[in-house]
Amino acid sequence: KNEVEQSPQNLTAQEGEFITINCSYSVGISALHWLQQHPGGGIVSLFMLSSGKKKHGRLIATINIQEKHSSLHITASHPRDSAVYICAVPREVGSNYKLTFGKGTLLTVNP
Amino acid sequence: GAGVSQSPSNKVTEKGKDVELRCDPISGHTALYWYRQSLGQGLEFLIYFQGNSAPDKSGLPSDRFSAERTGGSVSTLTIQRTQQEDSAVYLCASSPGQILSGSPLHFGNGTRLTVT
Repeated sequence: KNEVEQSPQNLTAQEGEFITINCSYSVGISALHWLQQHPGGGIVSLFMLSSGKKKHGRLIATINIQEKHSSLHITASHPRDSAVYICAVPREVGSNYKLTFGKGTLLTVNP
Repeated sequence: GAGVSQSPSNKVTEKGKDVELRCDPISGHTALYWYRQSLGQGLEFLIYFQGNSAPDKSGLPSDRFSAERTGGSVSTLTIQRTQQEDSAVYLCASSPGQILSGSPLHFGNGTRLTVT
């Protein structure tokens, strides 16, 4: 069964700073998800990636399948980026739809 | 509709009562998932429907929980004889196909269930 560790648990930054959130997992997978959850709001899927790097606006996600590690970067952070960021991976080999989730990283970006 | 719709958005019920939570996925999405997010806990998988296949119920925490999906569209999650530990936000998501076929997940805003 896959175990997911996210770090840091909490992160406070000043507007404009470069942000990195890390995710490590224990069992080899074919893809990993990054999700965003605003306070009191729903969850938005940011990325699903299986190799290399993906970029969307100021967000960049990278994954190293061999090292079982992924990072989410935010460039030129803004207060509206304040949210909980969650990574998710398949819970076990062969159960691609049965995701296990990290506990999330609470990001606060101050103006 | 434009997105995944869940109802009610909030539900307060007394311990021992039954509750039904509804999810209306995005039209045409064949895959539907239910997750639960308890206070201070991460998200946990409950059940998965894919097309006409038998659902994967392996995440349901007890036999008081059941779910069905009628006509491959709307899904209802039923909790019988609710307990206080059932209090959580219940989230539904849908995707056009299986996740790792490249289909992204689309989440609803959830139903916040409080059992008093």
